[in-house]
Amino acid sequence: QQQVKQSPQSLIVQKGGISIINCAYENTAFDYFPWYQQFPGKGPALLIAIRPDVSEKKEGRFTISFNKSAKQFSLHIMDSQPGDSATYFCAASPGGSYIPTFGRGTSLIVHP
Amino acid sequence: EAQVTQNPRYLITVTGKKLTVTCSQNMNHEYMSWYRQDPGLGLRQIYYSMNVEVTDKGDVPEGYKVSRKEKRNFPLILESPSPNQTSLYFCASSLRRGSGANVLTFGAGSRLTVL
Repeated sequence: QQQVKQSPQSLIVQKGGISIINCAYENTAFDYFPWYQQFPGKGPALLIAIRPDVSEKKEGRFTISFNKSAKQFSLHIMDSQPGDSATYFCAASPGGSYIPTFGRGTSLIVHP
Repeated sequence: EAQVTQNPRYLITVTGKKLTVTCSQNMNHEYMSWYRQDPGLGLRQIYYSMNVEVTDKGDVPEGYKVSRKEKRNFPLILESPSPNQTSLYFCASSLRRGSGANVLTFGAGSRLTVL
């Protein structure tokens, strides 16, 4: 059973548009929510992360929105660029654990 | 440069021929882990290690073995590979942070094909 459900599986956006990827979780013990970005031929790398004590975290064009009551969090990419084309994984870790649970990934293509 | 190094990057082998994928990190990380990535299934954890001589099964351990004799190395062993183990494999490591905010550093991946 999936502990972290990610959608959509794939996403196509025009340059300059907003890309939105959603994740939902069940385990209320999760308290750290990172997003990883993976370019073709590379391993995933941490993009941005959030704790549930804040509802939003922004780093440049990338924003995580967090809804604790709904047990959902999402990644927004503003002004999407072709260089953002990659696979994005959301993840969640319980407090004190070193073992993240990953969503199944979203393949994002940004057309020029 | 801080990194996780995997070898080989690409391998084609035949059913039943034992192989080892090596993983080494130079960041003095306690935690290391192996994942396989398959289309539509995302990253699935195979085995992980909290420290030297401490290993545990992940979600899909069948057909794999690991060992952690040294802190920096965490090899993945396929003793009798089968075609369903054809996949893209990633090794990852992190510090053991008490806060749980562990940032995983991934290797570049090893693409394995079993014929």
